Amino acid sequence: SQQGEEDPQALSIQEGENATMNCSYKTSINNLQWYRQNSGRGLVHLILIRSNEREKHSGRLRVTLDTSKKSSSLLITASRAADTASYFCATDSPGGYQKVTFGTGTKLQVIP
Amino acid sequence: DTAVSQTPKYLVTQMGNDKSIKCEQNLGHDTMYWYKQDSKKFLKIMFSYNNKELIINETVPNRFSPKSPDKAHLNLHINSLELGDSAVYFCASSYVGDTQYFGPGTRLTVL
Repeated sequence: SQQGEEDPQALSIQEGENATMNCSYKTSINNLQWYRQNSGRGLVHLILIRSNEREKHSGRLRVTLDTSKKSSSLLITASRAADTASYFCATDSPGGYQKVTFGTGTKLQVIP
Repeated sequence: DTAVSQTPKYLVTQMGNDKSIKCEQNLGHDTMYWYKQDSKKFLKIMFSYNNKELIINETVPNRFSPKSPDKAHLNLHINSLELGDSAVYFCASSYVGDTQYFGPGTRLTVL
């Protein structure tokens, strides 16, 4: 069954507000990645966090990872209309070659 | 220059036909993938090749046959297309255990 579940499924906020998306997974992982997908486009990699890391930052993005709870969160601060997209978490499980499993995604709408 | 490219971008075809989608990466990666994204936006891995060798085959019908002529290319051939094959197909590439870079997708519509 599917590895990652994102929460919420959809999120609508005003420009300037912060957006938080959560991802839960079921089995142990090597790393967890967050991707963005604009409507009708391919996926763009945002951040990779390894299983021995707890927090990572990239610009306005902050990712946390709690392996004991098998969960991760993506925080986008000071959101912009251009952040409107679907956001997916993806987990890479140990035990051989890279098999990445994607979550269901969170659809974020940032209202100008 | 596009890092991971796919052709065609759109593909509309009749049920029962055979079609191919091509993928090329110029990043020097050793691993390439095919994913299927359905109408609910759920993204599922289909195949993975490392150095031209098949390493992941996720219970995909054998009407789907990937072919990797070299490390930079991974093509997907689909025989006897069915309505349920309609989806967006994404190619991706990476070094093993590292970030995957995705192509723009091929929207396949089977009529």
